[in-house]
Amino acid sequence: GNSVTQMEGPVTLSEEAFLTINCTYTATGYPSLFWYVQYPGEGLQLLLKATKADDKGSNKGFEATYRKETTSFHLEKGSVQVSDSAVYFCALSPYGNNRLAFGKGNQVVVIP
Amino acid sequence: DAGVTQSPTHLIKTRGQQVTLRCSPKSGHDTVSWYQQALGQGPQFIFQYYEEEERQRGNFPDRFSGHQFPNYSSELNVNALLLGDSALYLCASSLSGRDMEEQYFGPGTRLTVT
Repeated sequence: GNSVTQMEGPVTLSEEAFLTINCTYTATGYPSLFWYVQYPGEGLQLLLKATKADDKGSNKGFEATYRKETTSFHLEKGSVQVSDSAVYFCALSPYGNNRLAFGKGNQVVVIP
Repeated sequence: DAGVTQSPTHLIKTRGQQVTLRCSPKSGHDTVSWYQQALGQGPQFIFQYYEEEERQRGNFPDRFSGHQFPNYSSELNVNALLLGDSALYLCASSLSGRDMEEQYFGPGTRLTVT
């Protein structure tokens, strides 16, 4: 089946630090990959996406590259801000199907 | 342009009761998906509605049912509530035929079963 695994535990870091959140997936065929962000009290928002191998999704300084050989889609940002504090979810949808499978999410807390 | 709206915001029910949650999709969208997000977990796909029919279903029991109306709005019904049904229920809308396009999520309905 299709599944997404995210690194365990919350992430706490200082402002301007480098952020990495690991995501690996299991899927048949060629899924599309996504990162969603959930700010406190708000709904899920699409942060970035990639639809085929070696694609790089980017938005608001965040980047993730679709790595088929390692079945990974790690999220990175070079210099985080306090406003980046949120829960980040990695997700996939099978080819030709927009049903999303999510990871458990990672709480990111950025300290001034 | 209104995004996805859901009602009510919060709901408290007792075990064994039935509940109905409502969702209005983003303007121009015709497909509605429902997800259950337990505390500290990622959302789990419940089902998807298109053209007033259930098009896909996740691994949820028949106690979970839904409906889509001609104006594309949707309801999620849960019968015989269990404590484990306590969660945030998210509605997402999208446009059919555009599978790689973004799904827009509503703010969710927080259901507490006591």
